[in-house]
Amino acid sequence: DAGVTQSPTHLIKTRGQQVTLRCSPKSGHDTVSWYQQALGQGPQFIFQYYEEEERQRGNFPDRFSGHQFPNYSSELNVNALLLGDSALYLCASSLVDRDNSPLHFGNGTRLTVT
Amino acid sequence: QQQVKQSPQSLIVQKGGISIINCAYENTAFDYFPWYQQFPGKGPALLIAIRPDVSEKKEGRFTISFNKSAKQFSLHIMDSQPGDSATYFCAASRAGAGSYQLTFGKGTKLSVIP
Repeated sequence: DAGVTQSPTHLIKTRGQQVTLRCSPKSGHDTVSWYQQALGQGPQFIFQYYEEEERQRGNFPDRFSGHQFPNYSSELNVNALLLGDSALYLCASSLVDRDNSPLHFGNGTRLTVT
Repeated sequence: QQQVKQSPQSLIVQKGGISIINCAYENTAFDYFPWYQQFPGKGPALLIAIRPDVSEKKEGRFTISFNKSAKQFSLHIMDSQPGDSATYFCAASRAGAGSYQLTFGKGTKLSVIP
C-alpha cells in the first residue's frame, strides 16, 4: 500500500524564480492538503484540494497556488520565490467525507531559496 | 497569534521513564486534537488523536489526557524507549475543517537516553 509520495525530495532555487512541487496521495484517498514547515517549527496549513478545487486556504499569499488532477494527485506552485520560502513542504492526504480520517503525510520536499 | 502552545521545547527522559508533553489551545471551536511524531528527514506520522467528548484515550504506551474546561491536553509516553526519540507535535482542528486543516504547536524534541 503506497503511502503519500512527493517529488522532488530536494530543490534549490534562486530568489524570484518559480517552483512546482508534486504529490501523489495515499491509495484510496481523495483530498490533498499542503503544509509548509520552517526549520524548528510546526507545519503550517497552506491549502486543501478536493474534486480538483481549492476548498480551504490558510494565511498564505497568492504566490502560492495549487492544482489537483483527476487521479487525485496534486501540485503546489510558488511564484516569485523569496528567501523566506525556504522550508520543508509537506503534502498530506485523507478521505474528505470521513470525519475521523487521519492525515497521512509524505516525507516532504526540502526547498532552499538562495 | 499562536493558537496552540506546546511545552516544553525539548525534553530528556531516561529509558523506562514517563515523557509528558503539554499543549494549550485558545480557539473553543477546535474539536479534534491529534498528536504527531516526526523523525529527522521524515514527514509527521499520526500517533493518537482525541475528541473533546472523552477525557482520556490510551493506545499502547501512549495516552492523551484532555481537559476541556482548561483548554489543555497532554501526551504521556509510558516506559519511554530510545526509539521514541523524535519531535512530537500537538495539533488541533475546528469543526467543519475536518482532519486536514490542522493548527500545529511548535514541537517538542524528545531524547530518551539509555
